[in-house]
Amino acid sequence: EADIYQTPRYLVIGTGKKITLECSQTMGHDKMYWYQQDPGMELHLIHYSYGVNSTEKGDLSSESTVSRIRTEHFPLTLESARPSHTSQYLCASSELGTDDAEAFFGQGTRLTVV
Amino acid sequence: AQSVAQPEDQVNVAEGNPLTVKCTYSVSGNPYLFWYVQYPNRGLQFLLKYITGDNLVKGSYGFEAEFNKSQTSFHLKKPSALVSDSALYFCAVSSVNQAGTALIFGKGTTLSVSS
Repeated sequence: EADIYQTPRYLVIGTGKKITLECSQTMGHDKMYWYQQDPGMELHLIHYSYGVNSTEKGDLSSESTVSRIRTEHFPLTLESARPSHTSQYLCASSELGTDDAEAFFGQGTRLTVV
Repeated sequence: AQSVAQPEDQVNVAEGNPLTVKCTYSVSGNPYLFWYVQYPNRGLQFLLKYITGDNLVKGSYGFEAEFNKSQTSFHLKKPSALVSDSALYFCAVSSVNQAGTALIFGKGTTLSVSS
């Protein structure tokens, strides 16, 4: 098992609430990613980071925001959750400096907004 | 833009039979290709990758993948399927953009192995 952790595993929350999904890794990886996995199981890149204070938007537009204040920590925040945000969110990390490095994934957070 | 395509939503095989999960890619330059597996309620696990060299790449759990440059394919294979291989399989490419690189995934193929 990879040393990357996501909390919570499952979250049910009401519309309009602010939420933060946590992701931490202990591998010292500079690159970190957030993917959204829809009910059809397709994975979409929504955010990534190359290191502290680096954040980039992915291919799928998302209302969420991310921050990277520490190397090991890459939280994702939704200021006002909506039912359309219901999905599974997967965090991943990989080494910087090489394009062929595999990514290690956390177990995911399944978010349901009611 | 770099992309991968998995043409089959589902692949069904009987236990003991060979399996193939298809993937085609579109990249500029040299491709870095990956296969991942996802079991229910779990994150993705790395299976294997192609960087350069031998076109047949061996990975975890007896899986292998064949890189074919002329057909722009990277099909996942296993000589003898197990029921425990039933899972969701993703092909991915390392995509280069103005901000750097990230893994871009195909839409996934569900493999179902029957006993």
